[in-house]
Amino acid sequence: AQSVTQLGSHVSVSEGALVLLRCNYSSSVPPYLFWYVQYPNQGLQLLLKYTTGATLVKGINGFEAEFKKSETSFHLTKPSAHMSDAAEYFCAVSAQGGSEKLVFGKGMKLTVNP
Amino acid sequence: KAGVTQTPRYLIKTRGQQVTLSCSPISGHRSVSWYQQTPGQGLQFLFEYFSETQRNKGNFPGRFSGRQFSNSRSEMNVSTLELGDSALYLCASSLGSRAAETQYFGPGTRLLVL
Repeated sequence: AQSVTQLGSHVSVSEGALVLLRCNYSSSVPPYLFWYVQYPNQGLQLLLKYTTGATLVKGINGFEAEFKKSETSFHLTKPSAHMSDAAEYFCAVSAQGGSEKLVFGKGMKLTVNP
Repeated sequence: KAGVTQTPRYLIKTRGQQVTLSCSPISGHRSVSWYQQTPGQGLQFLFEYFSETQRNKGNFPGRFSGRQFSNSRSEMNVSTLELGDSALYLCASSLGSRAAETQYFGPGTRLLVL
């Protein structure tokens, strides 16, 4: 079985500051890891994903994440926050043979202050 | 290409009624998954259909059911509605059923049970 932990539910940063959203996962088999973003009253949009290969993954809107197997982590970062980044961010895990298609963390609401 | 579409977008029902939600995947996608999103439980996997067959099922009671048609369109049905079924129901499609594939989400159907 897989699980995802996103500690906390809200994070607030100033415009131009570093964005760091933490994600830790648990999986008994090699995981596939995803970050999705959800804007108010909308569905989820994929930011980036890790399947195999390079552990530093670059996504849309300047986001990137690094898969660290030894730390079972997949933290999301962006060097400089923009007002338009305000949204809710979800980390998710899947694995071949898993009973659930995607297992999501509880989400992190990002606020960007001017 | 058109994205994932879900109908209706909003729905109000009363306890005990049943409801059917519809999802049209991206053209060419054969896998459709359903998720329930609530403030308390977050995003939870309901089930996945691929080529008209249910591939995976989450931990939901039998009141929740679904099906997929030969054109890959999918419906989910909830019978004997309870207040706790109030949620945003998200549909996602992917080309195939492999765990590493990206799922593309629709805007969701917001169900309110009174």
